[in-house]
Amino acid sequence: AQSVTQLDSHVSVSEGTPVLLRCNYSSSYSPSLFWYVQHPNKGLQLLLKYTSAATLVKGINGFEAEFKKSETSFHLTKPSAHMSDAAEYFCVVSDSGNQFYFGTGTSLTVIP
Amino acid sequence: GAGVSQSPSNKVTEKGKDVELRCDPISGHTALYWYRQRLGQGLEFLIYFQGNSAPDKSGLPSDRFSAERTGESVSTLTIQRTQQEDSAVYLCASSLRSSAHYEQYFGPGTRLTVT
Repeated sequence: AQSVTQLDSHVSVSEGTPVLLRCNYSSSYSPSLFWYVQHPNKGLQLLLKYTSAATLVKGINGFEAEFKKSETSFHLTKPSAHMSDAAEYFCVVSDSGNQFYFGTGTSLTVIP
Repeated sequence: GAGVSQSPSNKVTEKGKDVELRCDPISGHTALYWYRQRLGQGLEFLIYFQGNSAPDKSGLPSDRFSAERTGESVSTLTIQRTQQEDSAVYLCASSLRSSAHYEQYFGPGTRLTVT
């Protein structure tokens, strides 16, 4: 069975400080992992993905994530938050690529 | 180029009525997915189509839900005898293939409200 747990439903950071959004996954096989962002009134957009290549994955807008098999984690980070980063973030796992399992989301607030 | 489009953008219906939601995928994308997003929750997989293969319906919550796709084009999600718990945003996504190596492109969603 596959699932993801996003450990924080809300994260609040000050502009210019680091961002950490946590995700743990459960998967029977070698998973593919993704982070998506959903801005208010906009569609979901892929930030980055891990599909068994380099464990440190760089995405758009300065985000990156590290796949840690021993910890079954795929946390999303960014060195310096920008106001435009305020959005809902979803961690996603897929074993086969046929079904994708979304976490419940983390709402990121950036304080000016 | 054109992205994934969905219609209607909003739908309000009375309990017990049937509704049909439409998804136009990106041209050339063989895989198409339907998801449901309840308020404050993540996306719940409903069904996916890959080319002309039989669809994977394992995520459909009840037999009131059905979906069709003609070839590699438009898909419709039908909900019969709607219930209030069906109220949600229904999202459609398409990708070149049903593989984790291919990005899913999401439509803007249809917000369904059952009164």
